[in-house]
Amino acid sequence: SQQGEEDPQALSIQEGENATMNCSYKTSINNLQWYRQNSGRGLVHLILIRSNEREKHSGRLRVTLDTSKKSSSLLITASRAADTASYFCATDAIGANSKLTFGKGITLSVRP
Amino acid sequence: DTGVSQDPRHKITKRGQNVTFRCDPISEHNRLYWYRQTLGQGPEFLTYFQNEAQLEKSRLLSDRFSAERPKGSFSTLEIQRTEQGDSAMYLCASTPFLSGSYEQYFGPGTRLTVT
Repeated sequence: SQQGEEDPQALSIQEGENATMNCSYKTSINNLQWYRQNSGRGLVHLILIRSNEREKHSGRLRVTLDTSKKSSSLLITASRAADTASYFCATDAIGANSKLTFGKGITLSVRP
Repeated sequence: DTGVSQDPRHKITKRGQNVTFRCDPISEHNRLYWYRQTLGQGPEFLTYFQNEAQLEKSRLLSDRFSAERPKGSFSTLEIQRTEQGDSAMYLCASTPFLSGSYEQYFGPGTRLTVT
């Protein structure tokens, strides 16, 4: 079963615009992670935010976490065509021995 | 290349045949995970190892599935008597759990097609 629910399911933007993706989850977590997957490929880890953190930055990525609402958002600033991919949030639930539970993913298309 | 590698990348088999996939984790990563991903879905956990010990198996892992990690290095996932429903991408990931860092490093996956 999948814990995370990403929103929207698909997002199409123009190069240079910002992309915001949201994720909601159900149980208490140790951390939440965002991954990117290019078509037919493996997953690439983007960023991890721990349950005691509220915001984290990495390059053009900004992730927030609201544990009271059980939600997270990923912001990609100044998007590029190369950012076109599927994005997944994954939760490391408390007591889950660090196995990850993924959402269904968001398909991001960045038009050049 | 010191990333996670998986072999083969693609496998086409007929229903009822057995298949085996291999995963080589990043050297010295003591935790290794297997996930399955079907079209349009996120990966779903199958099983994981800490060193050579298989510590947890998902309910998704029927009796036809078996995984091993001899000597705590590479791992194999075998599916016996394959069914069309087994068609999916099988992903392997590893992590240096002892360091307290929990991001997982994924391999490119093995895409299985059962005809």
